[in-house]
Amino acid sequence: QVQLKESGPGLVQPSQTLSLTCTVSGLSLTSNSVSWIRQPPGKGLEWMGVIWSNGGTDYNSAIKSRLSISRDTSKSQVFLKMNSLQTEDTAMYFCARTGQWPGHYFDYWGQGVMVTVSS
Amino acid sequence: DIQMTQSPASLSASLGETVTIECLASEDIYSNLAWYQQKPGKSPQLLIYDASSLQDGVPSRFSGSESGTQYSLEINSLQSEDAATYFCQQHHDYPFTFGSGTKLEIK
Repeated sequence: QVQLKESGPGLVQPSQTLSLTCTVSGLSLTSNSVSWIRQPPGKGLEWMGVIWSNGGTDYNSAIKSRLSISRDTSKSQVFLKMNSLQTEDTAMYFCARTGQWPGHYFDYWGQGVMVTVSS
Repeated sequence: DIQMTQSPASLSASLGETVTIECLASEDIYSNLAWYQQKPGKSPQLLIYDASSLQDGVPSRFSGSESGTQYSLEINSLQSEDAATYFCQQHHDYPFTFGSGTKLEIK
């Protein structure tokens, strides 16, 4: 069955870079797309960006200058890197399978990883 | 960016009742709307996509509809396990955006 699992540091210092990994199973990254989505505590959901099955990427313009999404298809892993972290980046970070156009909804989600930005 | 205005922010209903949650898109999203259910401490789960298509495994008491740029999620015959927060999401244009959520309490 399809599974996604996020991993990464729980605590990041302000101004530092966040690196997260999404490890997938039950699907191939060469035919499936994966998004990163985050949710601050007690708040709503924000789509951050996507890496498409062809390796192309799209980002939310609000954070595009700080964000990079990449992958290693041989390891079935998708990576998120975001620099210049601030306290408002404290959130649960999810990876999710993303449907192809026009069905860009999220049908499988990881359990999420909580990231706290604090000194 | 397309704004999704979701209402109400919270509601309380009794077992067996029917509730409706709404999302208003700031522009035409051509039925490219999904609904999710999120329980505390869990990741969101897809309920509805393309405004009215039921995701596999989701009970038929969940249904979606649309009228212009207004989208609705209806939950019939409320069960205790329906207590959750519900989000809409437009999947028409970048950036994909979500509504602010509706917290449903079962009395």
